[in-house]
Amino acid sequence: EDQVTQSPEALRLQEGESSSLNCSYTVSGLRGLFWYRQDPGKGPEFLFTLYSAGEEKEKERLKATLTKKESFLHITAPKPEDSATYLCAVQAEWNTDKLIFGTGTRLQVFP
Amino acid sequence: DGGITQSPKYLFRKEGQNVTLSCEQNLNHDAMYWYRQDPGQGLRLIYYSQIVNDFQKGDIAEGYSVSREKKESFPLTVTSAQKNPTAFYLCASSNHRSTGSGNTIYFGEGSWLTVV
Repeated sequence: EDQVTQSPEALRLQEGESSSLNCSYTVSGLRGLFWYRQDPGKGPEFLFTLYSAGEEKEKERLKATLTKKESFLHITAPKPEDSATYLCAVQAEWNTDKLIFGTGTRLQVFP
Repeated sequence: DGGITQSPKYLFRKEGQNVTLSCEQNLNHDAMYWYRQDPGQGLRLIYYSQIVNDFQKGDIAEGYSVSREKKESFPLTVTSAQKNPTAFYLCASSNHRSTGSGNTIYFGEGSWLTVV
């Protein structure tokens, strides 16, 4: 069964304290792995798509990496405005119409 | 501005009533989706549509219905048959049908439905 597991469920960081969020997945042929940011009461905002192991993408303080079993979202020197829930989702080769989501990591960054 | 517009933002439903959530996109995307989000759970797919006048059930379609009469619009009706409808509903769209490349799915701002 295709599945996505995110850890930790919640993460509290001091401003400037770098860390990583994990997304482990099992899927019958990965077509793409997606990272989204979701603020409370809002829809998810697209961040990155990764397609193959070894691929990396960066955006401001965020960097996403991909292996054959997991993806990491590295946050370098976070600021309070980075506080949000980060969602990971995978798209299988056999069904590119559907995203399979993890339950998210809720990140809080304190000044 | 291009985007996905959902309305209303907040909706209250009495027991036994059907309610319809609106979703409009001006991104010229072929595919549209409805997801449901509950606390502590990942987003779950209700229905999706790749082209006008065609749609498929997702993982939790029971108690819901949709239509796709126009490319820009994909309304979701929550019927009285849905036993636990209180949730955050997200409409989404993407540019590709089922193709060989991963198709990025973009989301609207969501609609809160509460049963009273």
